[in-house]
This record gives sequence, structure tokens and C-alpha cells, in this order.
Amino acid sequence: TQLLEQSPQFLSIQEGENLTVYCNSSSVFSSLQWYRQEPGEGPVLLVTVVTGGEVKKLKRLTFQFGDARKDSSLHITAAQPGDTGLYLCAAKTSYDKVIFGPGTSLSVIP
Amino acid sequence: DTEVTQTPKHLVMGMTNKKSLKCEQHMGHRAMYWYKQKAKKPPELMFVYSYEKLSINESVPSRFSPECPNSSLLNLHLHALQPEDSALYLCASSQDFGLYGYTFGSGTRLTVV
Repeated sequence: TQLLEQSPQFLSIQEGENLTVYCNSSSVFSSLQWYRQEPGEGPVLLVTVVTGGEVKKLKRLTFQFGDARKDSSLHITAAQPGDTGLYLCAAKTSYDKVIFGPGTSLSVIP
Repeated sequence: DTEVTQTPKHLVMGMTNKKSLKCEQHMGHRAMYWYKQKAKKPPELMFVYSYEKLSINESVPSRFSPECPNSSLLNLHLHALQPEDSALYLCASSQDFGLYGYTFGSGTRLTVV
């Protein structure tokens, strides 16, 4: 069974602080995605990483895919209250399935 | 058009009611999905449609019945639901069967009373 683990599960920080969220698995994936979800809304795709060692930047967010394509990290610089939400990593398995990690609930306090 | 549209946004139904959730996309995506999400949990896959045919059913109870009338529309028919079926139901679509990610709708918040 392919599983994704995320850490930490919950994170509460002050505005302006930096943070890193991790997504890990024992399986190798062809791609890994990060989503942000706000309460009562659907997840919104932030980025997809495909190549081992790949680093992508989206404004204050930096995403990294592990060399072995089993893990990924999301780093946020100078967090803002608008970054508050549930951060989900997801990976494509075989048979057209995408599995989700349990999520990291981030709260940025003004 | 880069959106997935779900209706209704909220639905309250009794355990003997029959209702339907609707999902529409005009991005030409050939894969469409239904997910169920409970509070503070990740989305759980229910059904996958590939080229308008049901390709995956994740052992979902028969009180949930999916339908794909054409490449742009996806329905989820609900009948005799239980209170524990109350959740956020999400529709998603993908051009590449999830390899580069999904586009999700904003969901239908379902409450079964």
C-alpha cells in the first residue's frame, strides 16, 4: 500500500516567521503535487514536481522534490495570514489514482 | 474556462430523499473524479471516470451512484443516505489523469438529517 505522511500535522506561527512542511513516503512516485485548501473550499493546486532534486519557487513558497522521488518539502518565507490553510501533498500512483497525505494545518497569526 | 463548477454548494437532505450533485468542466479534461472529505481529513477517492467510462469505484456503497452523461458533466446521485455520509463532496478533473494535478471544484457541503 502506498502511503504519504506529512509533518507537522499542525503548525501555528507568527506573521513573518519561516516554516517548512514535509511529505514523505517509502514509495517512488512519478510526480508529487502540493495543494492548499481553505475551509469549505476545494483544494487549489500550488505546484507539481516531477524530476528528482527539482526545486520550484512560487513567490514566497519553495518546493523541493527529493532526489529519490520519495519525499518533498514546502518552505514558506515570511509567512502571512493569507497563507493560513490546510496544505496537502498528493502523488499519482498507478491506475489513475492520486493519493493524498493527511495534511498540515497552518495558522499564521497577525 | 479553467474552472470546475459544482452545484449545489450546500445541500440538506433527509435519509429517505433522493438528490443529485452536479459537476461541470469545459477544459476538455478526459478524467473526472468524485472525492469525499470529512472535516480535518484529506479527500478520499470515491469514483474515477476516464473517457466517460467508470474506471475506478473505491468500494463505495450503492446508495451513491455516479453518472457521466458526456465529457463535460459528472453527476452523483444520492439515495437513502445515512447521517455519517455528511461531508464535503468534491469533484475534480484532470487532463493527464492526475500526473500534473487536479482542478477541483469548490465542493458541495452535504448534511444528512
